[in-house]
Amino acid sequence: AAGVIQSPRHLIKEKRETATLKCYPIPRHDTVYWYQQGPGQDPQFLISFYEKMQSDKGSIPDRFSAQQFSDYHSELNMSSLELGDSALYFCASASQGAENIQYFGAGTRLSVL
Amino acid sequence: QQQVKQSPQSLIVQKGGISIINCAYENTAFDYFPWYQQFPGKGPALLIAIRPDVSEKKEGRFTISFNKSAKQFSLHIMDSQPGDSATYFCAARTGAYNFNKFYFGSGTKLNVKP
Repeated sequence: AAGVIQSPRHLIKEKRETATLKCYPIPRHDTVYWYQQGPGQDPQFLISFYEKMQSDKGSIPDRFSAQQFSDYHSELNMSSLELGDSALYFCASASQGAENIQYFGAGTRLSVL
Repeated sequence: QQQVKQSPQSLIVQKGGISIINCAYENTAFDYFPWYQQFPGKGPALLIAIRPDVSEKKEGRFTISFNKSAKQFSLHIMDSQPGDSATYFCAARTGAYNFNKFYFGSGTKLNVKP
C-alpha cells in the first residue's frame, strides 16, 4: 500500500539559509499535518491543511510557512534557519471520516550547522 | 503544558514479559486515542487505537485498556519481544473530522531484553 512520501530524507543547511520540505500524502487523503520532533521529544504539531486550506496552526514559527497544493501535496518552507530548527520533521496524512487516522511519513532530518 | 501525560519515560522488560505503558488526560473533548510505535529514524506508525465508548481493545499481543471515569488508558504488550523495542507514544484527538488536532504523550522508550 502507498504510504506518505517525504523528501528529502536528509537535509543539511547553514544558519540563515532556507529549506523546503515536501510531503506527498497517501492517495485520496485530503488532510496533511506537519510535526517537528526534537531528539527524545514527542512530535510537536506545527500546522495542518484540509482541502488546500489551512485548518489549524500550532507552534509554527513565523519564519516557517506551508501550503497544500491542488494535487494535495504539501510543502513546508523554512527561512532564516536557526540551529534550534535542527530536528526531524514529519508529515502525516489523513482522509475525511470518523476515524481520521493520521499516517506518518518517514520524516525529513534537518541539520542546521 | 502536556495535554496527555505518559509514563514511564523508559521501560526495560525481559523477553516474554508484559510491557505496560500508561497515559492520562484531562480534556473530556478527546474522542479517539491511538498508540503509535516509532523506531529510531522512522516515522511514528499507528499501532492500535480505541474510542472512549469501549473499555478494551485487543489486536494480537497488543491491548488497550480504557478507563473513561479515571481518564486513563494504557497499552499492554503481552509476550514482549526484542523486536518490540521502540518508542511508544499515546495520543488523543479532539475536534471534528479534518479539523482534528492530535496531542501526543511524551513517549516511552521500551527495551525488551532477550
